[in-house]
Amino acid sequence: SQQGEEDPQALSIQEGENATMNCSYKTSINNLQWYRQNSGRGLVHLILIRSNEREKHSGRLRVTLDTSKKSSSLLITASRAADTASYFCATTGRDSSYKLIFGSGTRLLVRP
Amino acid sequence: DAGVIQSPRHEVTEMGQEVTLRCKPISGHNSLFWYRQTMMRGLELLIYFNNNVPIDDSGMPEDRFSAKMPNASFSTLKIQPSEPRDSAVYFCASSPTGSWDEQYFGPGTRLTVT
Repeated sequence: SQQGEEDPQALSIQEGENATMNCSYKTSINNLQWYRQNSGRGLVHLILIRSNEREKHSGRLRVTLDTSKKSSSLLITASRAADTASYFCATTGRDSSYKLIFGSGTRLLVRP
Repeated sequence: DAGVIQSPRHEVTEMGQEVTLRCKPISGHNSLFWYRQTMMRGLELLIYFNNNVPIDDSGMPEDRFSAKMPNASFSTLKIQPSEPRDSAVYFCASSPTGSWDEQYFGPGTRLTVT
C-alpha cells in the first residue's frame, strides 16, 4: 500500500520555470526521500531529509518538510528539458528502518 | 562502480512458465530489495535481504514467488508458474546498510506474461 500521495499527479511547465511537487504522508517518519524515474528506467535517489530537518538543498533542488502537516515539497528551480521524469517521495517509518513506502508520483514535463 | 545490474531487461513468457529474474547489487552493500511496479499499485516492496538473509518477505504476493540470495553479489526472484497478472516491471535495489539509507535501483526487468 502507498504511504504518500503526490500532488499534482502531472505537471507541465516551460523550460526555465520552477517546478513544485508536493507529497503528503500518513504516519510518523524517520526520513523522507525523493527519487526521480525517467521513462523505462530505474529510480534515482535525489535527496534525503530527516524528520528533524525542515529544509535541504542540493543543486537546483530544494526540499522542505513539515512534520506537523505530514507533508513535503520538492522544488526544482530553472527547470530543463532533461528534468522531464516522474518524481516520487518515499518515507521510512520509525518502526521500520529499511522499508521505503513510495507515493504515487508526479509526472513532470518540461517543454523546451 | 557499475551500479545495480539486473537481467534480463525484458522477458516475455507464456502463462504457466517459470521466470527467473537476476540481480547483482553494488559491491559492499549489505542490503538488497526486490520491488514490483505496476500502474495500478505503484511501487511495492516484495522482499528485503540483509547480509544475504531474508528479513521481510511480507510483500511476496503468494507462494508462486520465491527469492534467494546465495551470496553477497547475487540474488534471484523466481515466479513459478507465472500468470498474466504478474506482468510488471521488477526492480532490484541495494543500500549500504539498509537502515534508513538511500537505495540504489537497477534498471528493472519488464516482465510480460501472455
